[in-house]
Amino acid sequence: QLQLQESGPGLVKPSETLSLTCTVSGDSISGHYWNWFRQPPGKGLEWIGYMSDSGTTNYNPSLQSRVAISGDTSKNHVSLNLTSVTAADTAMYYCAKAEWATDWFDPWGQGTLVTVSS
Amino acid sequence: EIVLTQSPGTLSLSPGERATLSCRASQSLSSRYLAWYLQKPGQAPRLLISGASSRATGIPDRFSVSGSGTDFTLTISRLEPEDFAVYYCQQYVRAPVTFGQGTKVEI
Repeated sequence: QLQLQESGPGLVKPSETLSLTCTVSGDSISGHYWNWFRQPPGKGLEWIGYMSDSGTTNYNPSLQSRVAISGDTSKNHVSLNLTSVTAADTAMYYCAKAEWATDWFDPWGQGTLVTVSS
Repeated sequence: EIVLTQSPGTLSLSPGERATLSCRASQSLSSRYLAWYLQKPGQAPRLLISGASSRATGIPDRFSVSGSGTDFTLTISRLEPEDFAVYYCQQYVRAPVTFGQGTKVEI
C-alpha cells in the first residue's frame, strides 16, 4: 500500500529556507509525479509544484521564484525547498502522487505543519 | 489560471438528508478534468471522485457528480455521520491545477 510521510522542521525563522521531505513507501518514486501543496490554517489548498520521475519540475507561478522540488531515488523521497519565507508561508504542507503532469491526486501524506516565526 | 468558486460556503444539514454542492469554473472545462475531495478536521484531503465520475476506492455510491461547461455539482444522496466534512473541487485541465475554496457540510 502506497504511503507518503512528510517531515521537516515545524518552525522556521523569517527570511530562512523551509525544507521538507516526503518519504514514499510501497512504491518507487519513479514513474509518477510527486506534488507539494500547502494549506494555511483555516484556509483552502494551494498547489506548489511537482517533480516527475524524469526530474522535470513545474511550479505554481505565484511561488516559482522561491521554490525547488527535487527527488532522491536511492532514498525514495521527494524534497521541497522554499526560500525567503515569511509569516504568509505558515501552513500545513502536504505531498501527494499523481500519474500525469496535470491530474488528480491520490494518495496524500498526512501533512506537516510549518510555522514561520522568529 | 482557472478560478473555481464553490457554494455555499457552509451547508447545514441532518443525517439522511441530501447535500448538493456547487463548483463553478471561470472557464469552460470538461467534467473529465474535475475532481472532488473531502477533508475532515486534522486530516489530509482524500480523493472522492475523479474524471467524469470515477469514485475512488472505498467511496460509496451515495456520492455522485454532474455538470458541464462551467457548472458542476457534487451530490450526496443521503448524508451519513462520516460525511460531515469540507469538500473541495479541483480542476486539472490546465496548469496550474487549482482548487475551490471549499464547502463545509455541517450538522
